[in-house]
Amino acid sequence: DSGVTQTPKHLITATGQRVTLRCSPRSGDLSVYWYQQSLDQGLQFLIQYYNGEERAKGNILERFSAQQFPDLHSELNLSSLELGDSALYFCASSVEAGWGTAQYFGPGTRLTVL
Amino acid sequence: EDQVTQSPEALRLQEGESSSLNCSYTVSGLRGLFWYRQDPGKGPEFLFTLYSAGEEKEKERLKATLTKKESFLHITAPKPEDSATYLCAVQVVQGAQKLVFGQGTRLTINP
Repeated sequence: DSGVTQTPKHLITATGQRVTLRCSPRSGDLSVYWYQQSLDQGLQFLIQYYNGEERAKGNILERFSAQQFPDLHSELNLSSLELGDSALYFCASSVEAGWGTAQYFGPGTRLTVL
Repeated sequence: EDQVTQSPEALRLQEGESSSLNCSYTVSGLRGLFWYRQDPGKGPEFLFTLYSAGEEKEKERLKATLTKKESFLHITAPKPEDSATYLCAVQVVQGAQKLVFGQGTRLTINP
């Protein structure tokens, strides 16, 4: 158990809908990262927050947005969902946003768009 | 573009049969190389961080090494519980703190 929690574990929804994925980092970790894992693309970085502020963006679609709250939990919002958005979404956290700092991953949310 | 390539894609071994997994990278400037283990349907589990060529790290039956162009994950006398997908990832100078992952090696250890 990494100490990172994610809810829900599974999410099934229809195309065009909007969902919110939630992540609580390990106690004491200030940095949160979101990744998407699909069969054909592997693990892809989406976005990073550090202590409430956006730090870096990856291949995140405009339909997706995220935020980190004062209690350091983070939410990833996915809207106008398409079939291709079906994937595992992982949150990871680290103590700081420094180089070489290990990122600890949560158990993931499996999103299925029908 | 920063690239991480892992080989082989899949590897099947007998219990006790040692082997190595390869991770080669082409990056603009390496800040750290990470190894993770991932079981089906679960999140990646952190194993090692390597920072510079020549560095080695060990944990139980696993040993990770790093050169200027690649990293190896050596598995000595593996057991069935070592079966998993092993992921290699890099942090690069131009990439903030994001991890760039390889596609992974799916390792199966038969009893």
